[in-house]
Amino acid sequence: NAGVTQTPKFRILKIGQSMTLQCAQDMNHNYMYWYRQDPGMGLKLIYYSVGAGITDKGEVPNGYNVSRSTTEDFPLRLELAAPSQTSVYFCASSWGGAHSYEQYFGPGTRLTVT
Amino acid sequence: DAKTTQPPSMDCAEGRAANLPCNHSTISGNEYVYWYRQIHSQGPQYIIHGLKNNETNEMASLIITEDRKSSTLILPHATLRDTAVYYCIVISGATNKLIFGTGTLLAVQP
Repeated sequence: NAGVTQTPKFRILKIGQSMTLQCAQDMNHNYMYWYRQDPGMGLKLIYYSVGAGITDKGEVPNGYNVSRSTTEDFPLRLELAAPSQTSVYFCASSWGGAHSYEQYFGPGTRLTVT
Repeated sequence: DAKTTQPPSMDCAEGRAANLPCNHSTISGNEYVYWYRQIHSQGPQYIIHGLKNNETNEMASLIITEDRKSSTLILPHATLRDTAVYYCIVISGATNKLIFGTGTLLAVQP
């Protein structure tokens, strides 16, 4: 199994541009999550999904959108990129229910907005 | 969810046990203690979790005090590859959200 994969690994955006960060998992997990991590800080939850067609906001959802049309994929959309969105973005997945908190993380996407 | 307090950094000699403390004095009865670690630039990795009994798996042991106000993660024979930031997280079943603090940076010295 590949586990959780994320693309791209690195990206530089200009202010006001848009992009989609891709995330896929092949473990048939129901739950998927997007986090961001700023330098020297812990991870903050942006959005999460408990199954295809169901998404909900985390701690820091402003400036982002998500969709979940399949169990495997959970893309994160940035509209009108701002320097404050410079961060490392991690996608994660888990079985859900009693195992929600045993999350498997991808390798991350390092995004710079200039 | 209860707040946790961890020391910002610790050192450990290679081959010795690493004991990482976590204080969670406001923990409530249905809240679990979870531990993750993050090796430099990688995604976090789940280590272990527990409710009130001590737990052990192939990676580590988790000791939770009887009053559940604190816990200790034990890596029995630390290696250089265990150098990472270790996060202690207290979570209840009522939410799906992991709240990461700033954790403890464990530096394993040769």
